[in-house]
Amino acid sequence: QQQVKQSPQSLIVQKGGIPIINCAYENTAFDYFPWYQQFPGKGPALLIAIRPDVSEKKEGRFTISFNKSAKQFSLHIMDSQPGDSATYFCAAGHGSSNTGKLIFGQGTTLQVKP
Amino acid sequence: EAEVAQSPRYKITEKSQAVAFWCDPISGHATLYWYRQILGQGPELLVQFQDESVVDDSQLPKDRFSAERLKGVDSTLKIQPAELGDSAMYLCASSVTGNTEAFFGQGTRLTVV
Repeated sequence: QQQVKQSPQSLIVQKGGIPIINCAYENTAFDYFPWYQQFPGKGPALLIAIRPDVSEKKEGRFTISFNKSAKQFSLHIMDSQPGDSATYFCAAGHGSSNTGKLIFGQGTTLQVKP
Repeated sequence: EAEVAQSPRYKITEKSQAVAFWCDPISGHATLYWYRQILGQGPELLVQFQDESVVDDSQLPKDRFSAERLKGVDSTLKIQPAELGDSAMYLCASSVTGNTEAFFGQGTRLTVV
């Protein structure tokens, strides 16, 4: 019940495309859903996070869509650029009390071709 | 820009040896986390501190792993003895409190040979 399942494992898009990464969770007590971006040899960096009181959140070219009834959420990257090539992790936790105690998905390696 | 500092960046150690990693969180951050990230997987929480107290170490293999944060600032994670399966990236993260954004350091890449 603590798992977060992420798909696809890898993704290749052309510059300007809109990659979509999906995650599903089981524990309905989760109330904080962040996405992290990780470049090789670096630690994860928070991109954007959503709480279940909203169905969508946008920050720049990054959008999270959240479906509470389906227990799913997804990341969309608008107008993707080669610099977006990285590994993306979704995560779930308890934002009201513990935003750093997270269950991470397995990660999606994104390649954006020029 | 304030960062979570970790050292060393890379560590190669022989099986059965002891190894230690150090983390200095962002100044003023009371909550500190240690995560382990096996290559190709997402990070997994090992231990969480609130100031100098352990809040959660349920996933820490306590027969060989130990963690401390004696003065509630920097922290050390130790493995003794190291096993081949411990090869991973060890990440430290910190947050002001438990309900604010957690920032990760660059990690220590451990290779056990």
